[in-house]
Amino acid sequence: EAAVTQSPRNKVAVTGGKVTLSCNQTNNHNNMYWYRQDTGHGLRLIHYSYGAGSTEKGDIPDGYKASRPSQENFSLILELATPSQTSVYFCASGDATGAYAEQFFGPGTRLTVL
Amino acid sequence: GDSVTQTEGPVTLSEGTSLTVNCSYETKQYPTLFWYVQYPGEGPQLLFKVPKANEKGSSRGFEATYNKEATSFHLQKASVQESDSAVYYCALSDTNAYKVIFGKGTHLHVLP
Repeated sequence: EAAVTQSPRNKVAVTGGKVTLSCNQTNNHNNMYWYRQDTGHGLRLIHYSYGAGSTEKGDIPDGYKASRPSQENFSLILELATPSQTSVYFCASGDATGAYAEQFFGPGTRLTVL
Repeated sequence: GDSVTQTEGPVTLSEGTSLTVNCSYETKQYPTLFWYVQYPGEGPQLLFKVPKANEKGSSRGFEATYNKEATSFHLQKASVQESDSAVYYCALSDTNAYKVIFGKGTHLHVLP
């Protein structure tokens, strides 16, 4: 049974449109993360959260917002999508203890912005 | 800030040959080091982690030693299989912000 799920798995959006990517975890982890994965760049952190109601900027937050309404759910929001945001997006959850900060990833969402 | 540098890919090997993926890191902290593996169409998953310097981690025939003096954590496997074809990420934990810093990944192709 998958502990981190993402929806949708594939999305095609138009430039200037609003896109919401959703993530749900059943690990009961405090921390959740959004990454994008691009050839030549690997995994880059966009936003993360320490718990319900909190969001923090990662390394590349420009053009993205995040929302953590509950322990289980973490959303990534593109208010005005651009073609440069075409990528594969991964959500992850992790324990609060930094020294053993293993992360558990979802299956990814492939986003294409036309 | 913290960083991880690893072998640039793709790396192509024949079945039965040995693998080394180099990984070096920079940090002022005492991190846990990780190797993650990502199979096609899936998210990354933990291969193994090593929280203490000079210790070795291993899983599925892969191993790496946390070398604090050399700031290295090279991934090795004596004999690769076609099923090992995947992207491998070296990573370290940022204990201050509960983040994991990933390298850019190394794409391994193993030919039958």
